[in-house]
Amino acid sequence: EDKVVQSPLSLVVHEGDTVTLNCSYEVTNFRSLLWYKQEKKAPTFLFMLTSSGIEKKSGRLSSILDKKELFSILNITATQTGDSAIYLCAVSEFYFGTGTSLTVIP
Amino acid sequence: EAEVAQSPRYKITEKSQAVAFWCDPISGHATLYWYRQILGQGPELLVQFQDESVVDDSQLPKDRFSAERLKGVDSTLKIQPAELGDSAMYLCASSLGPGMNTEAFFGQGTRLTVV
Repeated sequence: EDKVVQSPLSLVVHEGDTVTLNCSYEVTNFRSLLWYKQEKKAPTFLFMLTSSGIEKKSGRLSSILDKKELFSILNITATQTGDSAIYLCAVSEFYFGTGTSLTVIP
Repeated sequence: EAEVAQSPRYKITEKSQAVAFWCDPISGHATLYWYRQILGQGPELLVQFQDESVVDDSQLPKDRFSAERLKGVDSTLKIQPAELGDSAMYLCASSLGPGMNTEAFFGQGTRLTVV
């Protein structure tokens, strides 16, 4: 059965901390792994990863994929209160994990 | 900036009534998805269209749910009859298409409450 597992389920940190969110997957037809940020509305796209070992960066966010070990991590450095959201991992557009709820305290 | 349009934004319906949601994808996007998201969970794919054809509806409860995309553009998701357990956010998303390896863009969703 195809599945995507995210950890931790929730995380509370202070502003300025660095966080690492994890996503592991088992799917039969892997094409890509995507990270989304969801506040109180629709998910917004962060990264798409298709190749192992190539880090993608956008400001304080970065992500990398390991296709051998079937996982990805999303790093957020120098966290801000605006980073508070649910971070979703999806594989091949179809299979979403349950998300990691991040709360950043001032 | 192009967006995926969904309506209505909110819907309250009584159990056993029929309800319908509408989605207009980004122009030129061949693939359209309907997801259901229950509070505290990730989106669950209900149905995927490629143009007007259904590619995957394996998770669609076909006894009460139906979806169509007659002209390969906008789409309608219907529930009849609605049950209390159908209360959720219904998200529509679109992408350029298979083999394009691009992200899906989401609409704002329809929050359904069944009472």
